[in-house]
Amino acid sequence: GAVVSQHPSRVICKSGTSVKIECRSLDFQATTMFWYRQFPKQSLMLMATSNEGSKATYEQGVEKDKFLINHASLTLSTLTVTSAHPEDSSFYICSAVEAVSNQPQHFGDGTRLSIL
Amino acid sequence: AQSVSQHNHHVILSEAASLELGCNYSYGGTVNLFWYVQYPGQHLQLLLKYFSGDPLVKGIKGFEAEFIKSKFSFNLRKPSVQWSDTAEYFCAVNALRNTDKLIFGTGTRLQVFP
Repeated sequence: GAVVSQHPSRVICKSGTSVKIECRSLDFQATTMFWYRQFPKQSLMLMATSNEGSKATYEQGVEKDKFLINHASLTLSTLTVTSAHPEDSSFYICSAVEAVSNQPQHFGDGTRLSIL
Repeated sequence: AQSVSQHNHHVILSEAASLELGCNYSYGGTVNLFWYVQYPGQHLQLLLKYFSGDPLVKGIKGFEAEFIKSKFSFNLRKPSVQWSDTAEYFCAVNALRNTDKLIFGTGTRLQVFP
């Protein structure tokens, strides 16, 4: 089946640090990838839609300068949390959709980000 | 705005009990519907999906869901749960006007005791 690899799985860093999270589709090409944020005991909230070769589309209330998304190839999208602060601590999850119609999203394992 | 409601936040069952998890959505147009499962320590996995056709959809591990358009519902069912079904279950809706964008419900935590 389709596999999405997300790295790193856990990051602990100091306030002010920038953190990059990678999302890779291992055995399929993904023209579209999604980045979600999940708070404890809450649902996944879509942050942005990442399209290969073009600018990401951010959801309302998500700061594009804070959460930089790059989708440079059909198998890789990155999310960079710039100048992270404790309120950015969360569980970040990516998903990818195959470049074929009517395909479900395949999810990565998520990244637990803790900002001290 | 589109939304997805899962009314059961936490469900506790004994093995062999029947399961039904509610999911309602608010969107008047054509939708694709999904149920995802997240086992402890694992990523989200697709249980089943509805795009069109027979509103009763069968998924993996004995799960099924019924799309009732008039009720804007897509409830998940399993006639006899197992301890290994302990997990978090998420309903999600894709409004076709928004391509692949998914709106998730808040999730239902299912605990099954032997």
